[in-house]
Amino acid sequence: EIVLTQSPGTLSLSPGERATLSCRASQSVISNYLVWYQQIPGQAPRLLIYGASSRATGIPERFSGSGSGTDFTLTISRLEPEDFAVYYCQQYGSSPLTFGGGTKVEIK
Amino acid sequence: EVQLLDSGGGLVQPGGSLRLSCVASGFTFSNYAMGWLRQAPGKGLEWVSVISGSGDNTYYADSVKGRFTISRDKSKNTLYLQMNSLRAEDTAVYYCAKDAHYGSGSYFDFWGQGTLVTVSS
Repeated sequence: EIVLTQSPGTLSLSPGERATLSCRASQSVISNYLVWYQQIPGQAPRLLIYGASSRATGIPERFSGSGSGTDFTLTISRLEPEDFAVYYCQQYGSSPLTFGGGTKVEIK
Repeated sequence: EVQLLDSGGGLVQPGGSLRLSCVASGFTFSNYAMGWLRQAPGKGLEWVSVISGSGDNTYYADSVKGRFTISRDKSKNTLYLQMNSLRAEDTAVYYCAKDAHYGSGSYFDFWGQGTLVTVSS
């Protein structure tokens, strides 16, 4: 099974700053089949990015995904107050589907 | 508008059973695979099971294989998860989710609000 390691565990930033989140896979993710979700405490996850770099419907342009193979990045260009949440990556290139442990983006 | 209303959670003793349900609306139910995912208290997300759009193919995480059964009823637009031989480590919020594709499970573009399952004596 592919193990996804997210770093850092917690990112402390101020509104308006840029956030860079990492997701590293234990082996190459087939066809870059990797997604990112956002989860606000007490709510269900929301799909942000699929196919490593395609924004889901209704997702603001400040969210972008990049990477290939084993290294993937989620970037939030300028943090808005509603962006402080936990972010998870998930791969769907190999069975079983697996998730990273999450990165919490908190207000500094 | 896609809506997923999951229900059926509750408190159950170790070794007991529970059936979760998820009523879907706002899309053609049989055109998409559906899944169950869970999140233990204070922990991350874990994939549990997926069923193809036709219902012919099912997939399970090793942690629940042989104990949980996923199914779907096209006439009721409803997804189910039958959970047997429950263990303390199955305690989690269980989410029903719509897969973005038809087949064997990929990623999930819509999620239910979640239903809490607590396994404890």
